[in-house]
Amino acid sequence: QQQVRQSPQSLTVWEGETAILNCSYENSAFDYFPWYQQFPGEGPALLIAIRSVSDKKEDGRFTIFFNKREKKLSLHITDSQPGDSATYFCAASGGTNAYKVIFGKGTHLHVLP
Amino acid sequence: GALVYQYPRRTICKSGTSMRMECQAVGFQATSVAWYRQSPQKTFELIALSTVNSAIKYEQNFTQEKFPISHPNLSFSSMTVLNAYLEDRGLYLCGAPDRNNNQAPLFGEGTRLSVL
Repeated sequence: QQQVRQSPQSLTVWEGETAILNCSYENSAFDYFPWYQQFPGEGPALLIAIRSVSDKKEDGRFTIFFNKREKKLSLHITDSQPGDSATYFCAASGGTNAYKVIFGKGTHLHVLP
Repeated sequence: GALVYQYPRRTICKSGTSMRMECQAVGFQATSVAWYRQSPQKTFELIALSTVNSAIKYEQNFTQEKFPISHPNLSFSSMTVLNAYLEDRGLYLCGAPDRNNNQAPLFGEGTRLSVL
C-alpha cells in the first residue's frame, strides 16, 4: 500500500509559470512533511518542510499548502525556472517513529524556457 | 553547515560478491541514520533505521544477514551489501536528521551500485 501518493507523475510548465505538485497521505499519525528535490545522478536535497500544525510554509519561490482534514498537501513553485527541472519527492514521517520517513514516487518537473 | 558524505559514489561488483559503502555526517551529530535504496522506476525503499546505542531496525524484505550495518559513533555509519545480485542494483542513500534544525533527514549523494 502506497502511504504517500504524488501527482502528477510528470509536469511540464513554461518558464515564469507556477508549478503545482500534489501529495496525499494515508497515515493520520504523519505530522511532518519534507519535500526533496533531486537532480539526475545526485542525491535528494531537502527543499522545504512543514509540520501538520501549520497550513502553509513559504521559502522564497517554494510554498507548501497543507490540508490536514483532507490529508493533502501541495508544493507550489512560483516563477518557475529551467533550473527547477528536477524530480520532487513528497515525504512524510511521524507517529511512533518520527525518524522513519516514507517517500512518494516523485513528480518529474520540466520547466521549458 | 550540516552535510552528509557517502563513499564511494559509484561501484561495480561481480554477481555474488559483496561491497561496503560508507556514510559520514559532517557538522552535526547523526544519532539516527537511515539507509534507503532508490531503484530505477521506484521511489525510496527504506532498508533500515540505525540509532546509536540501540538495535538496528530492518524493514520487511531487508535483513541484517544481507545488509549488515555498523553505526559506531555519531558521525559514521557503513552498510555492506552481501552476495550482491542484479536485483540489488540501485542508488543507496544514507540519510540522517540534523536534530538541531529539523527532523527531516539530510542525504548524501548516494552510492550507485552496479552488479555484473
